[in-house]
Amino acid sequence: DAGITQSPRHKVTETGTPVTLRCHQTENHRYMYWYRQDPGHGLRLIHYSYGVKDTDKGEVSDGYSVSRSKTEDFLLTLESATSSQTSVYFCAISEDGQGANEQYFGPGTRLTVT
Amino acid sequence: GDSVTQMEGPVTLSEEAFLTINCTYTATGYPSLFWYVQYPGEGLQLLLKATKADDKGSNKGFEATYRKETTSFHLEKGSVQVSDSAVYFCALRSGGSYIPTFGRGTSLIVHP
Repeated sequence: DAGITQSPRHKVTETGTPVTLRCHQTENHRYMYWYRQDPGHGLRLIHYSYGVKDTDKGEVSDGYSVSRSKTEDFLLTLESATSSQTSVYFCAISEDGQGANEQYFGPGTRLTVT
Repeated sequence: GDSVTQMEGPVTLSEEAFLTINCTYTATGYPSLFWYVQYPGEGLQLLLKATKADDKGSNKGFEATYRKETTSFHLEKGSVQVSDSAVYFCALRSGGSYIPTFGRGTSLIVHP
């Protein structure tokens, strides 16, 4: 199994509070991704990174920011959490940008915003 | 842009039944194709993949063949087990693209 951990695994927070989710990998893979998964919507890409300090937006990036200061860590921040951000968040990694390379997913973080 | 269409679920089968989950795609160029599986409470994991036309990916009794002429990558298994109950995602990744495209997922429920 690829070495990907996410923390915390579960979090309940109140509307308006900042929240940071962490993804940590031990595979030295260049690409890292944050997705959210919601019933009826499948997986939706929030942000991704193609190297240290290199990030870009996905299809649902509003209200989220990311940072990657080290190869192994990719942080997702909700600056001011809203109830619409209640979801399960998955981190994924990929060795490089080649189309044939699969992604490896973390176990997920279940976030509830009350 | 790229897109993946999967059959709506849930798919409900009895143990030992034959499984087919349809997946069709649109893409520029020649993408690689993937099936991922997500068991309850877990992240997605790669089930199988195919990187060029007519390739067959296989794993754990599951198979899928890359059909360029019909732009399809249907998942099949000859005899499902209760333990195969999960959500299955079809995905593609175009050459040189950082971003895979996923289908919506198909839930499979297998009864004893």
